Parts: sequence; C-alpha cells; structure tokens
Amino acid sequence: DQQVKQNSPSLSVQEGRISILNCDYTNSMFDYFLWYKKYPAEGPTFLISISSIKDKNEDGRFTVFLNKSAKHLSLHIVPSQPGDSAVYFCAAWKAAGNKLTFGGGTRVLVKP
Amino acid sequence: DVKVTQSSRYLVKRTGEKVFLECVQDMDHENMFWYRQDPGLGLRLIYFSYDVKMKEKGDIPEGYSVSREKKERFSLILESASTNQTSMYLCASSEIRLVSYEQYFGPGTRLTVT
Repeated sequence: DQQVKQNSPSLSVQEGRISILNCDYTNSMFDYFLWYKKYPAEGPTFLISISSIKDKNEDGRFTVFLNKSAKHLSLHIVPSQPGDSAVYFCAAWKAAGNKLTFGGGTRVLVKP
Repeated sequence: DVKVTQSSRYLVKRTGEKVFLECVQDMDHENMFWYRQDPGLGLRLIYFSYDVKMKEKGDIPEGYSVSREKKERFSLILESASTNQTSMYLCASSEIRLVSYEQYFGPGTRLTVT
C-alpha cells in the first residue's frame, strides 16, 4: 500500500514552459514533504522541501505547493530547462522513525 | 564535497549465491540506509542503521540482512539471491539533526540475478 503516489510516470514539456509534477499522500502524520531529482547513473539528490505547516516554498525556479486538505503536493518548475530532464521523486518524512517514504517517480523530458 | 560510494556499479549473480553490496560514506554521518529502486515503485527502504552495530528493518527487509561494523561502512547482504531481487540498489547517509530528511545517495548498484 503506497502512502506516497505519483500518478504520472512521465511528462514532456517545451523549454521555457512550466513543468508541473503532482504527488498524493495518504498519511496525515508526515512532517515534511520533499522532492528529489535523479539523473541516469547517479543517485537522487535533494531538491526542495516543504514543512507540513506551510502551503508554499519557493527556491529559484522551483516552487512546491502543499494542499493538506486534499493530501496533495505539486512541484512547479518555471521556466523549464533541458538540464531539468530527470526523474523526480516525491517523498515524505516523519520525525518519528526518521524515514523517507518515496513515490514512484515522474520522468520529465524538457525539449529544446 | 560529500561522497557516498558503492562498491560496484553493475553486478551479475546466479540464483542461490550470497551477495555483498558495500557502501562507504566520508561525511561522518550517523545514519545509513539501503533502498531498492524498481520502476513505478520508487525507492523502498530495506534496512537502515543509526549507529555502529545498530540496525532497523525498513519496509521490505525479507531476504536481506545488513552489517555495520564501522561508522563509515554499511553492507547489504543477500543470503541466497533470487531473481526477484534483481533491482537497482541505492545506499544513502544522513546526519542526526532535529530535522534530517536530507539524505545523500550513492550512484547505485544494478544487480541482476539469473
């Protein structure tokens, strides 16, 4: 039973446009939600996070939105660049247990 | 520059073989983790360790064991490899802080069991 789900396995977007990645979760006890980015042949790297008590966090071209009532978060990348082509994993973290729970990933392709 | 290294990038083993996957981190982190990554399932936690000689089961520990004899090294052991253990294995580490969701990952070991 996946507690964190990414329903879109892939996304294709034109360079300069907005990429929107979505993630749903079932457990209300998570303290933080994160996005990790993974290039082929490399391990995932941390991208951006949001506390469960916030509804938005912005870092440069990346913004994460959290809708607690819908148990939904999204990552906006604006403008998208070819170097953003990667697999993006949504993850959730609980302080109790100190574990990350990952979604299935969304492969993003940014076309020049 | 922080670094997590894994002993092999690619490994091919036969069913029933004992398999060792090694992970070393140079950041003096207390926490270390082993995940497997499968298409559509994302990363699933196998085992983790928060100190030398300490280990905790993750979400899918069956068929695996771990060893942490030194702080910088965390080994994953497949006692008797099976074809359903064919996967990408990722090691990670993190430091102990009040909020410690940032984990640093190695490049992964792609294991094929035939």
